[in-house]
Amino acid sequence: EDQVTQSPEALRLQEGESSSLNCSYTVSGLRGLFWYRQDPGKGPEFLFTLYSAGEEKEKERLKATLTKKESFLHITAPKPEDSATYLCARVGAAGNKLTFGGGTRVLVKP
Amino acid sequence: DTAVSQTPKYLVTQMGNDKSIKCEQNLGHDTMYWYKQDSKKFLKIMFSYNNKELIINETVPNRFSPKSPDKAHLNLHINSLELGDSAVYFCASSQGGAGGWETQYFGPGTRLLVL
Repeated sequence: EDQVTQSPEALRLQEGESSSLNCSYTVSGLRGLFWYRQDPGKGPEFLFTLYSAGEEKEKERLKATLTKKESFLHITAPKPEDSATYLCARVGAAGNKLTFGGGTRVLVKP
Repeated sequence: DTAVSQTPKYLVTQMGNDKSIKCEQNLGHDTMYWYKQDSKKFLKIMFSYNNKELIINETVPNRFSPKSPDKAHLNLHINSLELGDSAVYFCASSQGGAGGWETQYFGPGTRLLVL
């Protein structure tokens, strides 16, 4: 069964303190890896899709990278507005659904 | 302007009642989904529909019945509500076929509390 594990569960950062979030998954046959941001009381908001190992995508202070077994979301010089839960999800070999990880709650303090 | 909308936003009800949640998307997408997010924040897919046809039906109790009157709408009816049904339910939609690799866009969620 597809499993997606995110670490750490929670991350407290000072404004400007860069860090990385990890998303690892079991089973081969990755057909896509998604990153979403979820603010309290809201639905997940799409950030990135990565399809192949070595691929990288950037948006403002966020950069997502992908290897064969894991993905990283790097937050560079974060600001308080980057505080949110970051979710990753993979498309399994069957290619018909997303399996989500439990998320990493990020709190950036000014 | 809202891309994926859900009603109601909050739902508080008694055990044993029947309730419905409605979802509409104005993105012109062909596929719609229902997800359940539990207290530990895990998002799990329940159902997906492509052009009104049921594609995915995860291990969900028969008390949950989705209905898609057209490809822009996907409703979720829940019979005989139980305490364990308390969660946030998200609707989502994506372009193209029912492949999970298409980017999914989520609604704001419906917070269901069963007393």
